[in-house]
Amino acid sequence: NAGVTQTPKFQVLKTGQSMTLQCAQDMNHNSMYWYRQDPGMGLRLIYYSASEGTTDKGEVPNGYNVSRLNKREFSLRLESAAPSQTSVYFCASCGGGGGGQPQHFGDGTRLSIL
Amino acid sequence: AQSVTQPDIHITVSEGASLELRCNYSYGATPYLFWYVQSPGQGLQLLLKYFSGDTLVQGIKGFEAEFKRSQSSFNLRKPSVHWSDAAEYFCAVGPRDFNKFYFGSGTKLNVKP
Repeated sequence: NAGVTQTPKFQVLKTGQSMTLQCAQDMNHNSMYWYRQDPGMGLRLIYYSASEGTTDKGEVPNGYNVSRLNKREFSLRLESAAPSQTSVYFCASCGGGGGGQPQHFGDGTRLSIL
Repeated sequence: AQSVTQPDIHITVSEGASLELRCNYSYGATPYLFWYVQSPGQGLQLLLKYFSGDTLVQGIKGFEAEFKRSQSSFNLRKPSVHWSDAAEYFCAVGPRDFNKFYFGSGTKLNVKP
């Protein structure tokens, strides 16, 4: 019972490099989310997808793009990495559509940009 | 604007002592309310949630939380803390029409032996 799986778990990039963080869930959830977590700032929403085929900006979308590839997968892309994007990135999913269903989180991707 | 405030960044309690973590929210209507726990190097795990009805909700690991509408608060409590409770705790709110969530900045709990 995997839940939400994020790959990779760790990554070091140089400034200007690009990379894609992968996220997959096996709970048949409609909604998926990408957050970044920085010390003292809690979780900040980067992008979310309410359902397959839709994506919307969150609180801190600049420098990121997303793709909802299908119902299971939601990827986050950094086109030109900057040191300010050094963070821990979490993917989450939930049933969506109202009803107050809680989110389920992956274990995170720890990204360092030099 | 929606916001969640956790006024305590760090809290240290002795093992066996009681615990209360504070959470205040700002929202246009009564939201859904959640507490999550994060152990080092892990993702967030749901402790408990409030939707409606009884204002005192029970969660996993012996935690409970009380919703107080008049104070816009949803404080987390535990009668007797165990060393394994050392972690970071996050309060979150979400609207009733869609699952978009807002998180507090977290409270890091240390437990003294």
